Amino acid sequence: EADIYQTPRYLVIGTGKKITLECSQTMGHDKMYWYQQDPGMELHLIHYSYGVNSTEKGDLSSESTVSRIRTEHFPLTLESARPSHTSQYLCASSVGGFYSGNTIYFGEGSWLTVV
Amino acid sequence: GQQLNQSPQSMFIQEGEDVSMNCTSSSIFNTWLWYKQDPGEGPVLLIALYKAGELTSNGRLTAQFGITRKDSFLNISASIPSDVGIYFCAGQLVGGSQGNLIFGKGTKLSVKP
Repeated sequence: EADIYQTPRYLVIGTGKKITLECSQTMGHDKMYWYQQDPGMELHLIHYSYGVNSTEKGDLSSESTVSRIRTEHFPLTLESARPSHTSQYLCASSVGGFYSGNTIYFGEGSWLTVV
Repeated sequence: GQQLNQSPQSMFIQEGEDVSMNCTSSSIFNTWLWYKQDPGEGPVLLIALYKAGELTSNGRLTAQFGITRKDSFLNISASIPSDVGIYFCAGQLVGGSQGNLIFGKGTKLSVKP
């Protein structure tokens, strides 16, 4: 069972506002990820981290930024939200080797609506 | 970039029927994972496969890691209404980067009672 928590679950904000989506995991996993997913669509990797002070951009370009100051915490920030940022954001963490056995666990997701 | 071809894209079946879906690629994978996602929720890990040829069951679900390491399938036996959702495969590419897990586009399963 995965212990990965995202807050808020649902958020409606106005254009231009700054928001931070929180993600925490209690499993001690080194690797953490953020995916963006529109309803019923595929998952797009937007950020990942292999450990503290390590962050990389994923396949899908995103205006969001992330930080990894503590192993268990991987927040995502949008400095100025726009309607095009409306989506579900999924945080994940994984255990396993770089070459094999990497097993990823997801949080419940944060639904962001920008009006 | 590397891609996983997941099929079928969607399925409409009668309750009690068996279901089969698969993921294929031209690349070789070290790990195959299968997830189910309910509407508005995050994907939940169903089965993890770590070795070529491995066959693993989780209740009515069975998944196999293809011998060629380029494919995997998921079977659901005697489907029930709560099986409705989107099923995703994910693979860990040999020598991959960018978090090194690639996801299929999903199979949407609908079950008629």
